[in-house]
Amino acid sequence: GQNIDQPTEMTATEGAIVQINCTYQTSGFNGLFWYQQHAGEAPTFLSYNVLDGLEEKGRFSSFLSRSKGYSYLLLKELQMKDSASYLCAVRDFFYGQNFVFGPGTRLSVLP
Amino acid sequence: DTAVSQTPKYLVTQMGNDKSIKCEQNLGHDTMYWYKQDSKKFLKIMFSYNNKELIINETVPNRFSPKSPDKAHLNLHINSLELGDSAVYFCASRRGQSEGETQYFGPGTRLLVL
Repeated sequence: GQNIDQPTEMTATEGAIVQINCTYQTSGFNGLFWYQQHAGEAPTFLSYNVLDGLEEKGRFSSFLSRSKGYSYLLLKELQMKDSASYLCAVRDFFYGQNFVFGPGTRLSVLP
Repeated sequence: DTAVSQTPKYLVTQMGNDKSIKCEQNLGHDTMYWYKQDSKKFLKIMFSYNNKELIINETVPNRFSPKSPDKAHLNLHINSLELGDSAVYFCASRRGQSEGETQYFGPGTRLLVL
């Protein structure tokens, strides 16, 4: 089976840096994805990791450690528009290459 | 141009009714999905379909059935709607099975069963 865990809620201040953690247990790991979902909207793709290490894309970076079953999403220079839910999703080889989503972390950015 | 579209955006109906939600993607993708997002915002896969293989999440009641008239469409039929079916349903598509290929989500259909 699969199990993915994330903190439910986080709060940070505009301009700050925030790290959102994700831990997972899956039998056929084949990649980890981060999505952003604003209230009332669809999830949109942010980043992808399949090998250990850090992937940087502008203000957003994502890290993966496969041996620890751990990933984090790092958001720098926070802006008010970054207030959203952040979903960690694992692609599972033994689940038909389908995605299993974590519960999501709701981030509130305060002025 | 909308990549993945769903209709209707909102659906309010009575318990026991049968309803359908339509999904179309113009990306030329091979695989399409249906997800359910409940009030706690948990996004769970219901079906994945790539015109060769249908994978069903075993927790999905058989009142739910996907219908794919062609590669660009995957509609969701729901029979005998129940109160617990109230949720947001997202359609998504993906180009292939390569590692880094992400999914593209439709705007969602907000279903309320009364």
